[in-house]
Amino acid sequence: AQSVTQLDSQVPVFEEAPVELRCNYSSSVSVYLFWYVQYPNQGLQLLLKYLSGSTLVKGINGFEAEFNKSQTSFHLRKPSVHISDTAEYFCAVTLKAAGNKLTFGGGTRVLVKP
Amino acid sequence: ETGVTQSPTHLIKTRGQQVTLRCSSQSGHNTVSWYQQALGQGPQFIFQYYREEENGRGNFPPRFSGLQFPNYSSELNVNALELDDSALYLCASSTYGQGTSRGELFFGEGSRLTVL
Repeated sequence: AQSVTQLDSQVPVFEEAPVELRCNYSSSVSVYLFWYVQYPNQGLQLLLKYLSGSTLVKGINGFEAEFNKSQTSFHLRKPSVHISDTAEYFCAVTLKAAGNKLTFGGGTRVLVKP
Repeated sequence: ETGVTQSPTHLIKTRGQQVTLRCSSQSGHNTVSWYQQALGQGPQFIFQYYREEENGRGNFPPRFSGLQFPNYSSELNVNALELDDSALYLCASSTYGQGTSRGELFFGEGSRLTVL
């Protein structure tokens, strides 16, 4: 079975500073990888995904992530955060044969300070 | 385009009771998934419905059951509620995992269940 570990439960960051959220996964077979964002009192929204091809994936709101197969990682980055980026971020994985059944990590809460 | 809507948004039940949560899929989607999100944790996959049949189930007991209707809306039923069932229940709709839409789930805002 696959699993996802998000190494940081909370990340405080100042406005306009860069941020990196770490995600590692474990799986014995090939997977697809995703980052979702959850704003307060809302459902989850897809930020970006890696299915195949270039290992650097660009998503919405200026976020990007890099798939590293040898390190089984899929870290999320943004070069300059805004107050509006305050939210919880979830890394998720699905097996290539498993359709849309996602396994989520525990989440990283990002608090952007002015 | 209508998004995913869930009802009720909040509800309180007592141990042993039964609950039904409802979800309307986004227009054009044929698959519905349900996730349980306990406080401070990531969502956990409960099950998925495609063409009105269960198409995959996570590690949840049989007292968690569901339905998908011809219009692709869905229900989640939980019997014999336990305190640990207190959580945010998220419904997500999608097109059955093909092509570039794979893994792209559209979530509702959830139903927050409190079991006392």
